[in-house]
Amino acid sequence: DIQMTQSPSSLSASVGDRVTITCRASQSISSYLNWYQQKPGKAPKLLIYAASSLQSGVPSRFSGSGSGTDFTLTISSLQPEDFATYYCQQSYSSYTFGQGTKLEIK
Amino acid sequence: EVQLVESGGGLVQPGGSLRLSCAASGFTFSSYEMNWVRQAPGKGLEWVSYISSSGSTIYYADSVKGRFTISRDNAKNSLYLQMNSLRAEDTAVYYCARDPGGSYSAFDIWGQGTMVTVSS
Repeated sequence: DIQMTQSPSSLSASVGDRVTITCRASQSISSYLNWYQQKPGKAPKLLIYAASSLQSGVPSRFSGSGSGTDFTLTISSLQPEDFATYYCQQSYSSYTFGQGTKLEIK
Repeated sequence: EVQLVESGGGLVQPGGSLRLSCAASGFTFSSYEMNWVRQAPGKGLEWVSYISSSGSTIYYADSVKGRFTISRDNAKNSLYLQMNSLRAEDTAVYYCARDPGGSYSAFDIWGQGTMVTVSS
């Protein structure tokens, strides 16, 4: 089974900051990597698919990069509505989610 | 409006059964692959099961294999999850999620979730 490890597990940042979250796969997954945002009590929302493709309707301040085993999600300028938990997911072989990164207000 | 609505959750005793439903609307259900994903209280997301658009291909997570059965009725625009031999560790919010398929798989539409509590 492919394991997904996100870092950090939690992060404090301020509005306007540039933030990067990292996701590492236990084996190469090419570009089969997705990113989701989840707010408390809500369903996850797809942000990025295929490592770097922005889902329709998602603000351009969100971007994804990487291939193989190492991936990043970057938020270029944090907005108040971006404080949430973020998950990566591999879809190369079955599906596995990372453990999540909680982004909190500093 | 594209929408998925889960139902059927509730409180069940260990060893019991429950059937979850997911009603789809606003899109051509029969053209999409579908999944169940769960989230235990205060925990992360765990993929549970996948079914192809025709229902001919099915996959399960090891944690539920042999106990859960995924199915769909394209005529009724509905997805199901039959859960048997339930355990305390199956307690979670269960989400259905749409997958457009194609070259890269991702879950682009999610339902609001239905809570399943396994407890005596």
